Amino acid sequence: DAMVIQNPRYQVTQFGKPVTLSCSQTLNHNVMYWYQQKSSQAPKLLFHYYDKDFNNEADTPDNFQSRRPNTSFCFLDIRSPGLGDAAMYLCATSPRAITGYTFGSGTRLTVV
Amino acid sequence: GEDVEQSLFLSVREGDSSVINCTYTDSSSTYLYWYKQEPGAGLQLLTYIFSNMDMKQDQRLTVLLNKKDKHLSLRIADTQTGDSAIYFCAEVGSNFGNEKLTFGTGTRLTIIP
Repeated sequence: DAMVIQNPRYQVTQFGKPVTLSCSQTLNHNVMYWYQQKSSQAPKLLFHYYDKDFNNEADTPDNFQSRRPNTSFCFLDIRSPGLGDAAMYLCATSPRAITGYTFGSGTRLTVV
Repeated sequence: GEDVEQSLFLSVREGDSSVINCTYTDSSSTYLYWYKQEPGAGLQLLTYIFSNMDMKQDQRLTVLLNKKDKHLSLRIADTQTGDSAIYFCAEVGSNFGNEKLTFGTGTRLTIIP
């Protein structure tokens, strides 16, 4: 009964080749987040959507974009992946009240 | 900006209690969380505490919050091998409409049989 679903679990992409990671939720939460987690590091927020409003973190590279076509889905687009973009990408959702986020199981991205 | 710090490693004998510590800098933190991450997996919310509380107990888990010192701890009683994981402390501030989690660096808990 996964409530935040990320596909695929593992993604291998070529250096410079655009890649899209997807996230869907069955919780009807207003807010969706994308975090990047590199090996042995804390998750780092890239951006989030509050409903349709997009909020980019100041230090998120332009190479990273996001789309949220409806409440249920959110996509992370990496326009030209570099070797340094290899990481686990975590999607999370939350309702308006801040009682905790629900994370997906993540997509591990490898860049070759 | 906000900063959340944890020690990186903790080893505990099976059956003993584990205590994982966290310090944070954001005095406007409203909620503080503990997440568990097993290898190759996403983050699982274990428990959270509101900033006006100083203790919360949930089965084997006890959370203590010292708001004056900005110190949070997670105690796991009767630690089992299944508790081996990385534990992240996280906080969210009171910026209405822009609530985002700031994570600590994570503490890797190793259980010694």
